[in-house]
Amino acid sequence: KQEVTQIPAALSVPEGENLVLNCSFTDSAIYNLQWFRQDPGKGLTSLLLIQSSQREQTSGRLNASLDKSSGRSTLYIAASQPGDSATYLCAVRPRNRDDKIIFGKGTRLHILP
Amino acid sequence: DGGITQSPKYLFRKEGQNVTLSCEQNLNHDAMYWYRQDPGQGLRLIYYSQIVNDFQKGDIAEGYSVSREKKESFPLTVTSAQKNPTAFYLCASSIGSGQPYEQYFGPGTRLTVT
Repeated sequence: KQEVTQIPAALSVPEGENLVLNCSFTDSAIYNLQWFRQDPGKGLTSLLLIQSSQREQTSGRLNASLDKSSGRSTLYIAASQPGDSATYLCAVRPRNRDDKIIFGKGTRLHILP
Repeated sequence: DGGITQSPKYLFRKEGQNVTLSCEQNLNHDAMYWYRQDPGQGLRLIYYSQIVNDFQKGDIAEGYSVSREKKESFPLTVTSAQKNPTAFYLCASSIGSGQPYEQYFGPGTRLTVT
């Protein structure tokens, strides 16, 4: 059974620092991995989607990597800003007949001004 | 603007009443999903639909019902049989199913049952 883990559950860093969020999954048979951002009381906003054949994706100050063999993904945020404060979730789409994606519980990020 | 709308944003109901949450998308997506989010538990899949007039149970379907009569609409009914209905409900859609398509989410509905 596929499980997705995000550690730590919460993280506080000073503004301007570069930071890395971690995501691990137990089964490497996936179609893709997706990183989302969620602000309090809001829906999820898709940040980056990495297909299983890709190693990384970049969007602005964000860079996501994928290492299927080790079951790991990282989300790198450069030059963090207070507006980056949110919960970040990763999710994998397993390579099976079920049309379900499996979510981690998220990392709550707080950027200190 | 293309996207997913959920209404209402906040919903209050008395225990024992059924309530229906709306989800509409104008993205021309075939697949639609309903998730429940509780603090510390992440997102859990309630129901999903891969095509009109068809839907499947997710991991926590008990006490919920859905319909998919139109491609753009996927309403969720929380019945009185749901033992702990207070939660944040999220609707999502993707172009299709069974393929590595990106999921898009609506803004959510917060349901409080007292």
